[in-house]
Amino acid sequence: DVQLVESGGGLVQPGGSLRLSCAASGFTLRSYWMTWVRQAPGKGLEWVANIRQDGSEKVYVDSVKGRFTISRDNAKNSLFLQLNSLRVEDTAVYYCARDVGYAVDFWGQGTLVTVSS
Amino acid sequence: IVLTQSPGTLSLSPGERATLSCRTSQSVATKYIAWYQHKPGQAPRLLFSGASIRATGIPDRFSGSGSGTDFTLTISRLEPEDFVVYYCQYYGQTFGQGTKVEVK
Repeated sequence: DVQLVESGGGLVQPGGSLRLSCAASGFTLRSYWMTWVRQAPGKGLEWVANIRQDGSEKVYVDSVKGRFTISRDNAKNSLFLQLNSLRVEDTAVYYCARDVGYAVDFWGQGTLVTVSS
Repeated sequence: IVLTQSPGTLSLSPGERATLSCRTSQSVATKYIAWYQHKPGQAPRLLFSGASIRATGIPDRFSGSGSGTDFTLTISRLEPEDFVVYYCQYYGQTFGQGTKVEVK
């Protein structure tokens, strides 16, 4: 079965950093684009970033450009999201998800990032 | 491209038909539209890709349709577990703001 398990969330002060990880199993990670999506408290889903199978192409939503970095290690079946210069408005549940071309077919359960002083 | 979902909240009774709308700010190819169901505390679930291609395991009471700028998710007869939030998505990126289906 396809499984995506996020980790690395937590409480961080504004301006701080976190690194989120996503462990993938049950499929060949290197065959898929992968995506991060977030949901702020009481808000809807927001696509954050995605990355090509070999890591050669990365796309970000404007609000995180220059602050967040998506990466992957196919050998370790892992996806990452480095969050720098965090803002209060980055507080959200962050989901790792598998991209199947203009849609996302499997999602993890999410990891909560709280940015607060 | 901006996605506008309507209504924001849909109040219906079990057994009724639900019609959810997703409008795009300009015409898009149907292959770029996806629909998701999101239950509180759970991971979102893909319902449709390509506007109308039902994902694995999705009951046939759910249907997706539309073209151009107007796309629709229809639930023919609402079951208790269907009273949650639904999102449309464009190009695997931009989401609509969601429609909450609640019990009337």
